[in-house]
Amino acid sequence: GQNIDQPTEMTATEGAIVQINCTYQTSGFNGLFWYQQHAGEAPTFLSYNVLDGLEEKGRFSSFLSRSKGYSYLLLKELQMKDSASYLCAVRDHDYKLSFGAGTTVTVRA
Amino acid sequence: SAVISQKPSRDICQRGTSLTIQCQVDSQVTMMFWYRQQPGQSLTLIATANQGSEATYESGFVIDKFPISRPNLTFSTLTVSNMSPEDSSIYLCSVEGQSYEQYFGPGTRLTVT
Repeated sequence: GQNIDQPTEMTATEGAIVQINCTYQTSGFNGLFWYQQHAGEAPTFLSYNVLDGLEEKGRFSSFLSRSKGYSYLLLKELQMKDSASYLCAVRDHDYKLSFGAGTTVTVRA
Repeated sequence: SAVISQKPSRDICQRGTSLTIQCQVDSQVTMMFWYRQQPGQSLTLIATANQGSEATYESGFVIDKFPISRPNLTFSTLTVSNMSPEDSSIYLCSVEGQSYEQYFGPGTRLTVT
């Protein structure tokens, strides 16, 4: 099984940077994903890491360390529309995703 | 990315009845997944639906309660049977993309009274 931990809530100011950490303990690992979910909507794919290192995609970056069972999602130049829940998910060797409980990010003006 | 539609988008049902949720994808995909997201919670995988074979259910979910059909590579249904208020949830289907990311349908919001 998978055990995935991430903070429950984070608050930041518009224009700032926020880093959402995710730690995992897994029986199998085949990639880590970050999703964004606005209230009342379906999750949307943000990033995928399968090798160690940093993946950058515009204002969003994701980092993975497999030896430490650790990932983070970095959100730069925060905008009000970035207020959402951010879900860390681990893919196992059976192609299944296990999701963390999600981190609610609130961006304040 | 795949475009996924679900029907119905929401429904209010009486306990003891059943509801079938449809999931349609705009391209052929091998695996489709069904998730449940209870209020304020994260996503929990119910089952994996492969075309031409029985669905694979996760611990805590059984075929009698959540029968799944997968008649072709673009369509699947999930039935929530003999519903109780505890089944009130959002049900989402998803498919896997070329880079292993999963794309989600808009979800079906079910309320059982």
